[in-house]
Amino acid sequence: DAGITQSPRHKVTETGTPVTLRCHQTENHRYMYWYRQDPGHGLRLIHYSYGVKDTDKGEVSDGYSVSRSKTEDFLLTLESATSSQTSVYFCAISEKGGANYGYTFGSGTRLTVV
Amino acid sequence: QKEVEQDPGPLSVPEGAIVSLNCTYSNSAFQYFMWYRQYSRKGPELLMYTYSSGNKEDGRFTAQVDKSSKYISLFIRDSQPSDSATYLCAMSGTSNYQLIWGAGTKLIIKP
Repeated sequence: DAGITQSPRHKVTETGTPVTLRCHQTENHRYMYWYRQDPGHGLRLIHYSYGVKDTDKGEVSDGYSVSRSKTEDFLLTLESATSSQTSVYFCAISEKGGANYGYTFGSGTRLTVV
Repeated sequence: QKEVEQDPGPLSVPEGAIVSLNCTYSNSAFQYFMWYRQYSRKGPELLMYTYSSGNKEDGRFTAQVDKSSKYISLFIRDSQPSDSATYLCAMSGTSNYQLIWGAGTKLIIKP
């Protein structure tokens, strides 16, 4: 997807290991979001950022931390991966605050915790 | 009960048919309503955005909001095989960062 890149695209990791997912944008958008998508649940917000070093929790933040040291990068860390964190993770960006402005999503990271 | 309910499908229709996709919601504070389309192995992309009640049309797509019934719809006219995707509804109230999502309806358009 133009302007937003997620890495890695796929990852298999063992229970108990830390994992970091990266979201990189070239749009210079202020707002960045991490979602997870699971069958039957839709998209659920994990954490979001409204500026460099400014982050806040979403509805499913337990077991996750984030960092944003530069406008273009938003990192999601699973501190000690569990099987319940097997999911597809999406990063999204928006130019302005307010969910009504619409998001641009990355292509996702498919994470499997074994 | 989830705040937003959406039939997961799959909904299978022949090419050229009119498609109706729907979501119901429980929170009367929702003011902004969106439809996203998601192709397999891709991220969602914004398709339609509506504020408050009423209709909005964009090409073959029409979004409709009925706040009195807490019901939103997306209509696709002259459906094409390329419309085959999962359609997600999303909505928000006065909170700036929280979109509430439906689980998505998988749509299949048969040639």
